[in-house]
Amino acid sequence: DTGVSQDPRHKITKRGQNVTFRCDPISEHNRLYWYRQTLGQGPEFLTYFQNEAQLEKSRLLSDRFSAERPKGSFSTLEIQRTEQGDSAMYLCASSIRGGGRITEAFFGQGTRLTVV
Amino acid sequence: AQSVTQLDSHVSVSEGTPVLLRCNYSSSYSPSLFWYVQHPNKGLQLLLKYTSAATLVKGINGFEAEFKKSETSFHLTKPSAHMSDAAEYFCVVSEDNQGGKLIFGQGTELSVKP
Repeated sequence: DTGVSQDPRHKITKRGQNVTFRCDPISEHNRLYWYRQTLGQGPEFLTYFQNEAQLEKSRLLSDRFSAERPKGSFSTLEIQRTEQGDSAMYLCASSIRGGGRITEAFFGQGTRLTVV
Repeated sequence: AQSVTQLDSHVSVSEGTPVLLRCNYSSSYSPSLFWYVQHPNKGLQLLLKYTSAATLVKGINGFEAEFKKSETSFHLTKPSAHMSDAAEYFCVVSEDNQGGKLIFGQGTELSVKP
């Protein structure tokens, strides 16, 4: 297993265009998270899944953002009608959530989005 | 609601001297706590974690942290800094009964001078 994989690593898009990012979690990890990180800030929670169910979506997230995790495996994050303020690093992480305590999350390398 | 405050945005130490990165958390219930490190242009890497076992937690690369419930703190320490420790460090809190999402602090940038 090679860890959490994100694709693409970099994306430059024009304002108003739609973009989609993909995340492949570690095999058998049932929990998957999306975070956004801007320069000089800590990662900001966007949303997370337990298997295919989306459990929570940040109130800070506009309706232009949507995420899916069909079949509880890989996940996609789509941003519609991108704005310059969407420029950031988008991070994906996965972990195992069972009957015990929370386990650590393993992070991908991220997708850096630049909206011009 | 859970939250994390990292008390220093930037810490500078000399190589070979001790490192102290401070973190206070707010949690209604018994939390899990983590420290992650992020080197430039690299992904987030777990340093150590506290999940209600021993209050003194040892991590990778000589780092350790102590969970102090009375002080709601989880400070990160290392006896002797190395140049390779220069990076951004994040304190993270998570609560089982809040779904287990991870809440990050704002980060502390550690600089190590030769």
